[in-house]
Amino acid sequence: QVQLQESGPGLVKPSETLSLTCTVSGGSISSYFWSWIRQPPGKGLEWIGRINYSGNTNYKPSLKSRVTISLDTSKNQFSLKLSSVTVADTAVYYCASTLGLYWYDGSDAGAYFQHWGQGTLVTVSS
Amino acid sequence: SSELTQDPAVSVALGQTVRITCQGDSLRNYFANWYQKKPGQAPVLVIFGKNNRPSGIPDRFSGSRSGNTASLTITGAQAEDGADYYCNSRDSSGNHLVFGGGTKVTVL
Repeated sequence: QVQLQESGPGLVKPSETLSLTCTVSGGSISSYFWSWIRQPPGKGLEWIGRINYSGNTNYKPSLKSRVTISLDTSKNQFSLKLSSVTVADTAVYYCASTLGLYWYDGSDAGAYFQHWGQGTLVTVSS
Repeated sequence: SSELTQDPAVSVALGQTVRITCQGDSLRNYFANWYQKKPGQAPVLVIFGKNNRPSGIPDRFSGSRSGNTASLTITGAQAEDGADYYCNSRDSSGNHLVFGGGTKVTVL
């Protein structure tokens, strides 16, 4: 059973960079795609971006200029960096495995988040 | 605003059936997947693809789709089914993943 665990500072100052790491156990990081998702207090889930086993990334357009997701296969980890944070970036951040869906002809039918970390609260405050 | 639209809240009597919908143009081409979210807990995948349940998810949860609308049905709702439910799929460009705004289900 794949398990994920987020780690990183729980408090970040405005204008600084938020950095989180997700450690994957029970499976190889080379076997899936991997996403970061967040939930601000009192709001819904928001997909931030994902990385595949080759290191190719895909980010939410509105966050693209500030987000970097990277992979460390030697440690079975992937990471999130979000620069120039504001109070609006205060949220519970989750990492999740991301699997593809396909139609009968093999074409893309979407993707879903199978395994999730427990989440970590990051507060942006001076 | 989200590219996937969900009703903010629905209620259901204990043991009755409730349907939660997710609407969006992208759903004509891509499946919706469904997650149960309880306060202080990580989301849990309950339905993915056409109508697949991960191991451990009760068979009272089922999914369906028609046109630009996907639905999650809970048949015989239990008290523990009270939670927020989110759909996810691709956006209208097909290039990015998105979530619906979520539906709060209250079991009366």
